[in-house]
Amino acid sequence: NAGVTQTPKFQVLKTGQSMTLQCAQDMNHNSMYWYRQDPGMGLRLIYYSASEGTTDKGEVPNGYNVSRLNKREFSLRLESAAPSQTSVYFCASKVLMTDTQYFGPGTRLTVL
Amino acid sequence: QKEVEQDPGPLSVPEGAIVSLNCTYSNSAFQYFMWYRQYSRKGPELLMYTYSSGNKEDGRFTAQVDKSSKYISLFIRDSQPSDSATYLCAMNPNTGGFKTIFGAGTRLFVKA
Repeated sequence: NAGVTQTPKFQVLKTGQSMTLQCAQDMNHNSMYWYRQDPGMGLRLIYYSASEGTTDKGEVPNGYNVSRLNKREFSLRLESAAPSQTSVYFCASKVLMTDTQYFGPGTRLTVL
Repeated sequence: QKEVEQDPGPLSVPEGAIVSLNCTYSNSAFQYFMWYRQYSRKGPELLMYTYSSGNKEDGRFTAQVDKSSKYISLFIRDSQPSDSATYLCAMNPNTGGFKTIFGAGTRLFVKA
């Protein structure tokens, strides 16, 4: 059981470049999340998917898009990266109607 | 003003000390409270989960909720160097809610 996996672990982009962060979970969870974590700001929700086939905006969705590819996979896309998107990105999953989220190891993204 | 306030620290204590970590919040609708532990360069993992007011104990850890004061605490007894991590409080107004609010985290160092 790998839990929640994220790729890549590290990435450096130039302003204006695009990229997709990948997330997969093998726990058969319904709900999946994307957060960003910045110093002093805690975890902020970018997008979430309550169940396969649905996605909704969180607190800071601007500049991002998501795709719930299937029950296991939830990807986050930056279409035109900006320095303000330099952050650590975490994917998480949970069982519907519970509160415990299981987090991946994170992707450290730097935008120059 | 943030919905959840948490002192970022760092907090440095000697091994064996009792540690008190705290969060205050402004939304009286919060009923479900969590503490996550995050080791350096890892994703958060759930440590404690409590509902409404009162105490919950698990080994060396005690979570306390005072809804009248909008204040939650995590106590660590007989602290160990392995407890060195960032501790994030989190809360939901409803069980199973999708928009969990996280504190910014308190960084704890336990010196051997």
